[in-house]
Amino acid sequence: EDQVTQSPEALRLQEGESSSLNCSYTVSGLRGLFWYRQDPGKGPEFLFTLYSAGEEKEKERLKATLTKKESFLHITAPKPEDSATYLCAVQDYSGGYQKVTFGTGTKLQVIP
Amino acid sequence: NAGVTQTPKFQVLKTGQSMTLQCAQDMNHNSMYWYRQDPGMGLRLIYYSASEGTTDKGEVPNGYNVSRLNKREFSLRLESAAPSQTSVYFCASTSGSEVSYEQYFGPGTRLTVT
Repeated sequence: EDQVTQSPEALRLQEGESSSLNCSYTVSGLRGLFWYRQDPGKGPEFLFTLYSAGEEKEKERLKATLTKKESFLHITAPKPEDSATYLCAVQDYSGGYQKVTFGTGTKLQVIP
Repeated sequence: NAGVTQTPKFQVLKTGQSMTLQCAQDMNHNSMYWYRQDPGMGLRLIYYSASEGTTDKGEVPNGYNVSRLNKREFSLRLESAAPSQTSVYFCASTSGSEVSYEQYFGPGTRLTVT
């Protein structure tokens, strides 16, 4: 059974204080790993897809990386508007493209 | 381009009542999904539709039914609501192509069953 564990559950940063969020996963065959951002009262918003170990993707202050067992979302010099819950999800080959398993998220708060 | 829209935004039901949650997408996506999100748990798949005319059960289908009305619309029905169905429901869609599996989500429906 696919499993996704995100840590920490919550993270509080000062504005400008860089940090990383972790997503550990277990899948039989990774088709893709996804990062989403979710603001309170809204639906998840797609950020990145990573397909293979060693792959990296960047968007503004966010950088996602992937190894065979985990993914990191690095946040460089965060701003208050980066405050949100960040969700990780994995998709495996065995379940077909419909099977996506989500983690419970890391709630990030960036303080001015 | 509205993306994925859902109605209603909020709903309160009494135990045993029925209702239908509506979802529509304007991105010409093939696949559509219904998830529920509960505190402390990840998004859980209720039902999905890989393409127009097909539907399949996800992880937590009991107590729900779905209809893929056409390529744009995918509805979720609660026939006899129970307090355990109090949750936030999200509809999502994806192109389903070989190179693109990311999902695009609607704003959610917050359902309370008393």
